[in-house]
Amino acid sequence: GESVGLHLPTLSVQEGDNSIINCAYSNSASDYFIWYKQESGKGPQFIIDIRSNMDKRQGQRVTVLLNKTVKHLSLQIAATQPGDSAVYFCAENENQGGKLIFGQGTELSVKP
Amino acid sequence: NAGVTQTPKFRILKIGQSMTLQCAQDMNHNYMYWYRQDPGMGLKLIYYSVGAGITDKGEVPNGYNVSRSTTEDFPLRLELAAPSQTSVYFCASSYSYEQFFGPGTRLTVL
Repeated sequence: GESVGLHLPTLSVQEGDNSIINCAYSNSASDYFIWYKQESGKGPQFIIDIRSNMDKRQGQRVTVLLNKTVKHLSLQIAATQPGDSAVYFCAENENQGGKLIFGQGTELSVKP
Repeated sequence: NAGVTQTPKFRILKIGQSMTLQCAQDMNHNYMYWYRQDPGMGLKLIYYSVGAGITDKGEVPNGYNVSRSTTEDFPLRLELAAPSQTSVYFCASSYSYEQFFGPGTRLTVL
């Protein structure tokens, strides 16, 4: 099975609320993690990434948290907007060669 | 830069037909990848390449073939289409770990 998985397949939030999307990984040797956003009918787009030597990284309205002790990754979206509605994937690197292992994805739905 | 481009956007095949999905990138990335995405699922790696002339199997390579004669192009070949190959196919490229994806090709095999 996949070594990267998501706790919740769907998440519904009210516009303006904060969203938290979770991800579990099993390979303790992974040293790079990335979040992608996939809108309907489009390819995945990069949101934010983090290396294993960091616990937290912030972008514009997004924060990624990495807990290596429990092998858990989360994506926080502040002040969620309708345009944030999409499927969000986490992924981890697999050894060398740039390969990524993707999780199943969480569908975020933002209610106006 | 156009980034990663894929053609065609949509295609319907009959069982047993063959076709080539085209992928090109203009970012001079060494790494290129082919994924398939079934409805409601994540991305599964079909084949990847670390540079021109070098390809390797991913998680689900059966029924597919690839070639990488140039840095820019990475076509995916389906020889004998089967209904199980109905999916959306994404091509991606990368310099390091961050992968850049194309818009996808939606393939239906009937």
